[in-house]
Amino acid sequence: GAGVSQSPRYKVAKRGQDVALRCDPISGHVSLFWYQQALGQGPEFLTYFQNEAQLDKSGLPSDRFFAERPEGSVSTLKIQRTQQEDSAVYLCASSLPLVEVGPNNEQFFGPGTRLTVL
Amino acid sequence: AQKVTQAQTEISVVEKEDVTLDCVYETRDTTYYLFWYKQPPSGELVFLIRRNSFDEQNEISGRYSWNFQKSTSSFNFTITASQVVDSAVYFCALSGLRIQGAQKLVFGQGTRLTINP
Repeated sequence: GAGVSQSPRYKVAKRGQDVALRCDPISGHVSLFWYQQALGQGPEFLTYFQNEAQLDKSGLPSDRFFAERPEGSVSTLKIQRTQQEDSAVYLCASSLPLVEVGPNNEQFFGPGTRLTVL
Repeated sequence: AQKVTQAQTEISVVEKEDVTLDCVYETRDTTYYLFWYKQPPSGELVFLIRRNSFDEQNEISGRYSWNFQKSTSSFNFTITASQVVDSAVYFCALSGLRIQGAQKLVFGQGTRLTINP
C-alpha cells in the first residue's frame, strides 16, 4: 500500500514479556518517528531516525525501550520486560527530510499498535 | 521548551452548528510550524493543515478554517456547518525548524468533538 503500515495492530503481553513492534514507512521516506499515545492523551515523541541513523532518542522512557532501522527502511521498536505503564498505542510516522525552507515535513502516520500489558 | 495546550477536552454540538477548537502554544523558536491532525475512531492520525510561523494569513478549506494569531500564540480551528463525520479527536501540534535533526511534533492533549444528528 501507499501509506505507513504497522504490525501487529494489537498486542497483549504479560508483564515481563518482551515485545517487538514493526513499522513499514512510505517508500522513499528517509525520516521515521515513533510516538507513544497513552489513553486519552496526545502522542508523545519517542525517537527519530534519518535513514538508518538514530538521531534523537530523547523520548525513550527507559533503557527497556530500544529502536532500530538497520537498512534505513523498516523499523522495529522493542520493549523489554514490559510493565503495565507501557500500555499505550505506539504510532509510527514517516516523512521526507526537511530542507532549509522546504515544506516537506508533513508526517504521515500509521494506524498504530495498541499494546496492552496485563 | 515547547508546549501545546488544548483547553477543551470535549465538545458536543448538534449537526450544522459551527464549532471552534482552541489551541495555544509556547515556544522559544523564532521559526516553527503548527499543525492540526484529526484522529477518527480507527486511530490513524490524519493531517489537516500545516502553518509556518512566517505566515499569519488565515486559511479556509471547504468547511474548515484556521485562525493563526502570533500575538496571542494561538492557532484555532473552526468547522462550519458541522457534520456527523466530523466526530473525532482533534490534535494541535507544534514543531521547530531543524536542519539535520528531528522535526518532532509536540502535541496537545486533544479535543474530542462529537457531532450529534
